[in-house]
Amino acid sequence: SQKIEQNSEALNIQEGKTATLTCNYTNYSPAYLQWYRQDPGRGPVFLLLIRENEKEKRKERLKVTFDTTLKQSLFHITASQPADSATYLCAPPLGGSYIPTFGRGTSLIVHP
Amino acid sequence: DAGVIQSPRHEVTEMGQEVTLRCKPISGHNSLFWYRQTMMRGLELLIYFNNNVPIDDSGMPEDRFSAKMPNASFSTLKIQPSEPRDSAVYFCASTRDLLSPLHFGNGTRLTVT
Repeated sequence: SQKIEQNSEALNIQEGKTATLTCNYTNYSPAYLQWYRQDPGRGPVFLLLIRENEKEKRKERLKVTFDTTLKQSLFHITASQPADSATYLCAPPLGGSYIPTFGRGTSLIVHP
Repeated sequence: DAGVIQSPRHEVTEMGQEVTLRCKPISGHNSLFWYRQTMMRGLELLIYFNNNVPIDDSGMPEDRFSAKMPNASFSTLKIQPSEPRDSAVYFCASTRDLLSPLHFGNGTRLTVT
């Protein structure tokens, strides 16, 4: 079956380091992937979208890559700060024959 | 732009009661989505509408769940009768089109005792 999966274990890193989160997909070839941030008690907030023909996309301290060979997207936060602590969700395209489920996301904890 | 507005923020009800969750999407957005979030299953899509028409409700767990979108500025998700396993946070999201990112509301936390 089609799946999009993220590491369910929390990622703990020290302030200033680069955080790298992984999103893997199987039996599926998404035209794009989206990354969202979710804080406790709030809805997810859109961060970045990367299309299958884009290798990399950047926005300030954020960088997303898309490797169609590995069927994987990586989400990087450079020079991480405690304020970056949140849950990060990878999401497939909307609509079409595949109805997206975001999954549980990966919790990032940045320690001062 | 006020964003996606959901009400109520919290709902506590007893098993067997009817629950209605409400959503006002962002003006001009043509697609509306209802999600349910739990620790175990993450953020699951229940149903989505395009131009007020339900497109896919295959994520709706049971016939106890129903959703309507009578006009472009309002949608409801109803659970009747509610059960304790329905306890979750329910999110509504809207988007201009299916190529654009989703804008989420802050959710309704439902507790069924």
